[in-house]
Amino acid sequence: DTAVSQTPKYLVTQMGNDKSIKCEQNLGHDTMYWYKQDSKKFLKIMFSYNNKELIINETVPNRFSPKSPDKAHLNLHINSLELGDSAVYFCASSQGGGVSLMGQYFGPGTRLTVL
Amino acid sequence: AQSVAQPEDQVNVAEGNPLTVKCTYSVSGNPYLFWYVQYPNRGLQFLLKYITGDNLVKGSYGFEAEFNKSQTSFHLKKPSALVSDSALYFCAVRDRGNAGNMLTFGGGTRLMVKP
Repeated sequence: DTAVSQTPKYLVTQMGNDKSIKCEQNLGHDTMYWYKQDSKKFLKIMFSYNNKELIINETVPNRFSPKSPDKAHLNLHINSLELGDSAVYFCASSQGGGVSLMGQYFGPGTRLTVL
Repeated sequence: AQSVAQPEDQVNVAEGNPLTVKCTYSVSGNPYLFWYVQYPNRGLQFLLKYITGDNLVKGSYGFEAEFNKSQTSFHLKKPSALVSDSALYFCAVRDRGNAGNMLTFGGGTRLMVKP
């Protein structure tokens, strides 16, 4: 069973479009995250979210918004896509506000290409 | 603020030789430290972490890391490298006082193990 899954795996779209990436975890974790990995492999946290609060990295443009329909899902919505949004986006989850035994569990990533 | 530096973009080692992948960190308080590995076209996989206690931490696949508070380092080591260890390795830190369990990652080090 996949612990953290993301769909789609690949997403190619035009500038200016609005798109969403879905993330689901079946680990029963209460905290989920979105990371962006650029072409140079730098990983940056975008959001941390649990039932109580959303914490946003201040460098993330407000065109990006996480939406959580329930505890097991944290979807990423991106409005007015720009060329610079092209990257691999990773979803992750962990248990609790403390440090979980196995750190954060990561999904396989979604490669977004904006043309 | 928290930050991580991995000074080497790439480390080359012959199979059977010991390997070291370097990591230094900066936090305002006490750190939680992690190592993750990323294989091509895959998400990140947890290797090991330092929370408290023994400075030498043992993790998956024979890897270990040593926490050195005075040098603010958390170098990843393995006594005998395998070709299958070739991958991208990320060090990550979280300040214990950091809300949201948000990790800051280093830039990654590509490990190449040659037969």
